[in-house]
Amino acid sequence: DGGITQSPKYLFRKEGQNVTLSCEQNLNHDAMYWYRQDPGQGLRLIYYSQIVNDFQKGDIAEGYSVSREKKESFPLTVTSAQKNPTAFYLCASSKLPRALNTEAFFGQGTRLTVV
Amino acid sequence: QKEVEQNSGPLSVPEGAIASLNCTYSDRGSQSFFWYRQYSGKSPELIMSIYSNGDKEDGRFTAQLNKASQYVSLLIRDSQPSDSATYLCAPVSGGYNKLIFGAGTRLAVHP
Repeated sequence: DGGITQSPKYLFRKEGQNVTLSCEQNLNHDAMYWYRQDPGQGLRLIYYSQIVNDFQKGDIAEGYSVSREKKESFPLTVTSAQKNPTAFYLCASSKLPRALNTEAFFGQGTRLTVV
Repeated sequence: QKEVEQNSGPLSVPEGAIASLNCTYSDRGSQSFFWYRQYSGKSPELIMSIYSNGDKEDGRFTAQLNKASQYVSLLIRDSQPSDSATYLCAPVSGGYNKLIFGAGTRLAVHP
């Protein structure tokens, strides 16, 4: 079945530790996105990528890093520079936004907690 | 001005009524618009897309788009308790081709 897989579902991070969240899609989508969602809030864009080896910062990129070495994969690293990383992280993918029919589909999310 | 604005709610409607959810956006270059439904603790799921001015109907859902007014809405007819969720409006920004979201409107349908 085609879809987007995020792992792990739950992740615990110690203070000062870097952690990497995985996102893999087999939908042959060009564009991929990472969002952060805090309780009772909307989705805020962290990074997005429209093509392999290229990505752009979203509204809240500080303290995060990404890579796009393969079309299928867009991992997100939460670095120690991110002072308040506890949140629900969502990965999405879509066809290139320049065309119509560019609906984005989401993975199941990773819930990150600082301990 | 926020890129996408929605009333946070909660919007409370009785079962069987019409729920009306509204969204305004700032980027005049936006051409594609989506409505997502998100249940608590879950990821968003797409329920409607609209690209042209006017109405688009899909079952109990109708999306309405007015690009001149930079306004998009979602009507839910015959609301059911299972429709209780947060509804997110998401235009694709024209210049940067990125998908951005409003904060969402929480809908509560009571029996």
